[in-house]
Amino acid sequence: EAGVAQSPRYKIIEKRQSVAFWCNPISGHATLYWYQQILGQGPKLLIQFQNNGVVDDSQLPKDRFSAERLKGVDSTLKIQPAKLEDSAVYLCASSPALNSPLHFGNGTRLTVT
Amino acid sequence: GQNIDQPTEMTATEGAIVQINCTYQTSGFNGLFWYQQHAGEAPTFLSYNVLDGLEEKGRFSSFLSRSKGYSYLLLKELQMKDSASYLCAVKPGGFKTIFGAGTRLFVKA
Repeated sequence: EAGVAQSPRYKIIEKRQSVAFWCNPISGHATLYWYQQILGQGPKLLIQFQNNGVVDDSQLPKDRFSAERLKGVDSTLKIQPAKLEDSAVYLCASSPALNSPLHFGNGTRLTVT
Repeated sequence: GQNIDQPTEMTATEGAIVQINCTYQTSGFNGLFWYQQHAGEAPTFLSYNVLDGLEEKGRFSSFLSRSKGYSYLLLKELQMKDSASYLCAVKPGGFKTIFGAGTRLFVKA
């Protein structure tokens, strides 16, 4: 099966600019996650979708981050405006069921200067 | 609150056995996962425990004690390619998966 696809792989922006990341999960996976991983730390959940509904966004900085999952398939994560502390790898993951392992994409490495 | 603790770094020798510990305090428990993450790559699934005891999968085994809030990942016959970060992740109940900070394992010749 095809894996989780993410783009772009790398992005460099200046602070206060905006950026968007795209994720295409594994076909048939109902649950989609966006994680932020800062260098040397474990992944931190930003938002979780079940089909096209949000089930957890308690750690999403909603004043600058937004995410959507159109038609319960692809998802985009947006940051506007970006801050220096947003420099991290943004990982998208999907799973077929709530207690199944997560399948991760290769991530987008964001550098904010 | 939710908390997952792992050692930051470990070093072991090729061919040896290493045990990576994980302790957790969470509001509920619905399973524990171990993932491997090579530098610059995405995490990949290694093992899943939801009941107490040992799960064995080739060179990798994982143990869980729910009453102690404790798990370990055992890697046997270490190879250089096992140098990576190992992430302990817990489902506290509901929908979330929470990750620990990870243990960086260095395998030396």
